[in-house]
Amino acid sequence: DAGVTQSPTHLIKTRGQHVTLRCSPISGHKSVSWYQQVLGQGPQFIFQYYEKEERGRGNFPDRFSARQFPNYSSELNVNALLLGDSALYLCASSLGPPNSPLHFGNGTRLTVT
Amino acid sequence: GENVEQHPSTLSVQEGDSAVIKCTYSDSASNYFPWYKQELGKRPQLIIDIRSNVGEKKDQRIAVTLNKTAKHFSLHITETQPEDSAVYFCAANNNAGNMLTFGGGTRLMVKP
Repeated sequence: DAGVTQSPTHLIKTRGQHVTLRCSPISGHKSVSWYQQVLGQGPQFIFQYYEKEERGRGNFPDRFSARQFPNYSSELNVNALLLGDSALYLCASSLGPPNSPLHFGNGTRLTVT
Repeated sequence: GENVEQHPSTLSVQEGDSAVIKCTYSDSASNYFPWYKQELGKRPQLIIDIRSNVGEKKDQRIAVTLNKTAKHFSLHITETQPEDSAVYFCAANNNAGNMLTFGGGTRLMVKP
């Protein structure tokens, strides 16, 4: 049974560029959440989507956006990249809110130079 | 918003000893508290979780306790093994149950 899959695994971008990260949830899971993990810190909540609607948004600027597709996969978009956006971006899927256990993917390592 | 503090930041134990990691949270409405294990370069993996309607939960060598009055919860690992070495994160949910706030992590090192 496939877990949460994320692509790409690694990405190097230049300041000012934009990036799109992709996530496919576990089969049967209808909710996808995005977290940012800076090296040496715990994950920080960015977004949650459930049934294609945004159900929660963390304290991130409007440069960050996301969407969920009819097949429950999701994209995270970041515009006007800053050096501080360098991090591991984790996608997690769950059956749905509230409080269903989150299952994380392996993440996308984004480096902004 | 929710604030989760985790201690200690690093913990070194001898193989076979017990390890305890403690977390406190600020939002009294939080009612779901998972623990994740993250090995170097890998994804966080859920190892155990507890909901506010119970005070303790155990799964083999791992147990979690919750004190809602004091707003703290703890992870206990008994008979530690070298493969337990990893970073452990505690987390607490928000009132809507749609996001987790994570602690800063504890690097556990189990020496053989």
